[in-house]
Amino acid sequence: DQQVKQNSPSLSVQEGRISILNCDYTNSMFDYFLWYKKYPAEGPTFLISISSIKDKNEDGRFTVFLNKSAKHLSLHIVPSQPGDSAVYFCAASVSGNTPLVFGKGTRLSVIA
Amino acid sequence: DSGVTQTPKHLITATGQRVTLRCSPRSGDLSVYWYQQSLDQGLQFLIQYYNGEERAKGNILERFSAQQFPDLHSELNLSSLELGDSALYFCASSTISPPYGYTFGSGTRLTVV
Repeated sequence: DQQVKQNSPSLSVQEGRISILNCDYTNSMFDYFLWYKKYPAEGPTFLISISSIKDKNEDGRFTVFLNKSAKHLSLHIVPSQPGDSAVYFCAASVSGNTPLVFGKGTRLSVIA
Repeated sequence: DSGVTQTPKHLITATGQRVTLRCSPRSGDLSVYWYQQSLDQGLQFLIQYYNGEERAKGNILERFSAQQFPDLHSELNLSSLELGDSALYFCASSTISPPYGYTFGSGTRLTVV
């Protein structure tokens, strides 16, 4: 029973263009969502988050959009850079004391 | 350096054996989480400790156990190892409970042969 789903295992984008990574969730109790980035041989690192009281959060080139009615969130990277090539994990939590639930990840390749 | 230290980085062992993975959390963080990442799988939550006490349990096998010591470092013990236990094991720490995000270590790659 996967509560957080990233249905695209991989994505390839040209440098300078927009990268859009998608994530769906099934647990309506989730109220906080995060994106992590992972390079090979390293642990995941926190990228950006959003609370369920918002529908958008922006941090530099990274923007996360949340559509609660569709139980869907997306991460936009504009413009994409070769250094953005990594695996991106979507994660969700029920605020309080529940551990983060992660998706399987999407491998982003930004081609120069 | 994230501040979360995991040792060893790599471990190769035979089926049926027992291993211990170690994690030192970031200074000041009271919560420690263990996650398993198998091939083509996301990060599967195993167990959480908070200030020495077990706080939450996920899909952790009975052959696996963990503890958090008074100095807040944590150990994950895996016994009667099977080939399917080969995976990356990550430890993460946080100052307080989610949703404020975790700091992950670089992981221990376990290979069972």
